[in-house]
Amino acid sequence: TQLLEQSPQFLSIQEGENLTVYCNSSSVFSSLQWYRQEPGEGPVLLVTVVTGGEVKKLKRLTFQFGDARKDSSLHITAAQTGDTGLYLCAGGRETSGSRLTFGEGTQLTVNP
Amino acid sequence: GAGVSQTPSNKVTEKGKYVELRCDPISGHTALYWYRQSLGQGPEFLIYFQGTGAADDSGLPNDRFFAVRPEGSVSTLKIQRTERGDSAVYLCASSLSRMNTEAFFGQGTRLTVV
Repeated sequence: TQLLEQSPQFLSIQEGENLTVYCNSSSVFSSLQWYRQEPGEGPVLLVTVVTGGEVKKLKRLTFQFGDARKDSSLHITAAQTGDTGLYLCAGGRETSGSRLTFGEGTQLTVNP
Repeated sequence: GAGVSQTPSNKVTEKGKYVELRCDPISGHTALYWYRQSLGQGPEFLIYFQGTGAADDSGLPNDRFFAVRPEGSVSTLKIQRTERGDSAVYLCASSLSRMNTEAFFGQGTRLTVV
């Protein structure tokens, strides 16, 4: 059972365009993280959000945690070819320690 | 080293053989995790260590899988009687403490069972 659903699964856009990736669940998470993974590498942490409604910005990336802490979004403004990669959301629960539940990922390709 | 180190980076083994995958976490990180990532999927949790003890091994798929962390630092994931379905990238991650969910991942070991 996939507890975190990411959409879209694949996204191919032109450089300079904006995009939003969604991460949805029917379960509540105490924290939610976004990672980016490149081929042959492990996931690299981008951000952690812990408070419902929280918004965090990382240069051109904006992350939002839903009010009910069941969903999150990642918005990229003016995408660059270097943004290409697999974007993964991962939820954590206090009851499961530091164990993370990952979504299936969104494969983003930014074309020049 | 500065990051999580996993060896080997690639491992090809024959069906039925035994394999060991090693993880060297970030120095000072007490929490260590093993995940498995199949092609086109997100990582799936296998086991979590806090210090030397396995705090949560509920993700291990069956009794062919076992992991140890005898001195609270390096961990070894052991797979007995490998099957073709075990082929995947095995990722190790560490975090500063049990309550810190910000995990840092190694580059993974790509296991191929032929």
